[in-house]
Amino acid sequence: AQSVAQPEDQVNVAEGNPLTVKCTYSVSGNPYLFWYVQYPNRGLQFLLKYITGDNLVKGSYGFEAEFNKSQTSFHLKKPSALVSDSALYFCAVRASGGGADGLTFGKGTHLIIQP
Amino acid sequence: IAGITQAPTSQILAAGRRMTLRCTQDMRHNAMYWYRQDLGLGLRLIHYSNTAGTTGKGEVPDGYSVSRANTDDFPLTLASAVPSQTSVYFCASSPGLADRETQYFGPGTRLLVL
Repeated sequence: AQSVAQPEDQVNVAEGNPLTVKCTYSVSGNPYLFWYVQYPNRGLQFLLKYITGDNLVKGSYGFEAEFNKSQTSFHLKKPSALVSDSALYFCAVRASGGGADGLTFGKGTHLIIQP
Repeated sequence: IAGITQAPTSQILAAGRRMTLRCTQDMRHNAMYWYRQDLGLGLRLIHYSNTAGTTGKGEVPDGYSVSRANTDDFPLTLASAVPSQTSVYFCASSPGLADRETQYFGPGTRLLVL
């Protein structure tokens, strides 16, 4: 069985500071990892994904994530936070060879950027 | 391009009633999914469909059924609603069958079962 852990329910960051939202995963075989963002009363929007290759993945809105196989982590980062980045962030995983069933999501992390 | 549309946007439903949540995509994606989102639990997969004519069970399928008569539509039916089915329901789709495919989400349906 595969699983995702987002250890922080909420992360508070001052505007302009770097931000990190943590994610660790457990999966049999090679993982495919995703980050989504959800704004209030909206659906999930895709940010970025790791499939293979370079461990540093760049995505939408200036976000990036680093895949670390030894630590089974896929933390989301941004060098300089904006107030508009405040939202709910979900990490998700799928095992390679797992077919076309759904993603396994973490419980989500509320990111609050303070002006 | 609309992407994925869901209807209704929200609904209040009496327990025991039957309800169908609609999902339509115009991207010609092969795979479609239904998730429910509950506070503190993230999103959990209810049912999925790899292609028209096929469906599969996800993590929490009990009390729900789906059909996939064509590529575009993937309705979710609650045969006899119960209060524990109060949730926000999201439909998603992905272009192909590969596990590396990105899933794209609809705006959601908020359901309250009383």
